[in-house]
Amino acid sequence: QKEVEQNSGPLSVPEGAIASLNCTYSDRGSQSFFWYRQYSGKSPELIMSIYSNGDKEDGRFTAQLNKASQYVSLLIRDSQPSDSATYLCAVMPSGTYKYIFGTGTRLKVLA
Amino acid sequence: GAGVSQSPSNKVTEKGKDVELRCDPISGHTALYWYRQSLGQGLEFLIYFQGNSAPDKSGLPSDRFSAERTGGSVSTLTIQRTQQEDSAVYLCASSLGGRLEQYFGPGTRLTVT
Repeated sequence: QKEVEQNSGPLSVPEGAIASLNCTYSDRGSQSFFWYRQYSGKSPELIMSIYSNGDKEDGRFTAQLNKASQYVSLLIRDSQPSDSATYLCAVMPSGTYKYIFGTGTRLKVLA
Repeated sequence: GAGVSQSPSNKVTEKGKDVELRCDPISGHTALYWYRQSLGQGLEFLIYFQGNSAPDKSGLPSDRFSAERTGGSVSTLTIQRTQQEDSAVYLCASSLGGRLEQYFGPGTRLTVT
């Protein structure tokens, strides 16, 4: 079992729809979770961090964390073609400062 | 302000040669990380620095890989006797002391021929 799992996609959504990206992790003690966006040929760009169970909103983005289910998700409201990218979930295992990344979900927003 | 910078942006080298990759973190960021990203492996952690010391080197794939950081700022990742499987994008990230969010540089694309 991989430490951080994401569906590779592509996930295709129409412009204006909500995109839902999911991530599961295996280290039950993990406390810190991050979502990055990576455009083709570019480096990862931090979207959000989340540390507590529940929802955290930032503009069109909402991160959701459920530690009991070892599940973290990212919702993108009013999706735009410019949101088309690979979304990486990163988990910081307990007792470390490194990230373990999922392989990413490729999102395509269709105009 | 300026973000993380890395040099060179691209490096092509012959198998068996040594290479040095440089990272300049965001000013004031005390933590520095090296990752690499390849098609088959995704994004993998290599090493973490806090100041000039490296408390976590667990991701370095072999003793051909080493890294140092001087003055609590610039870091150099050295790969000796490069192999074709070392071909990847090497990414550096930094974070502010007491914060866990990491900010990535543009990366160095290494191609070993």
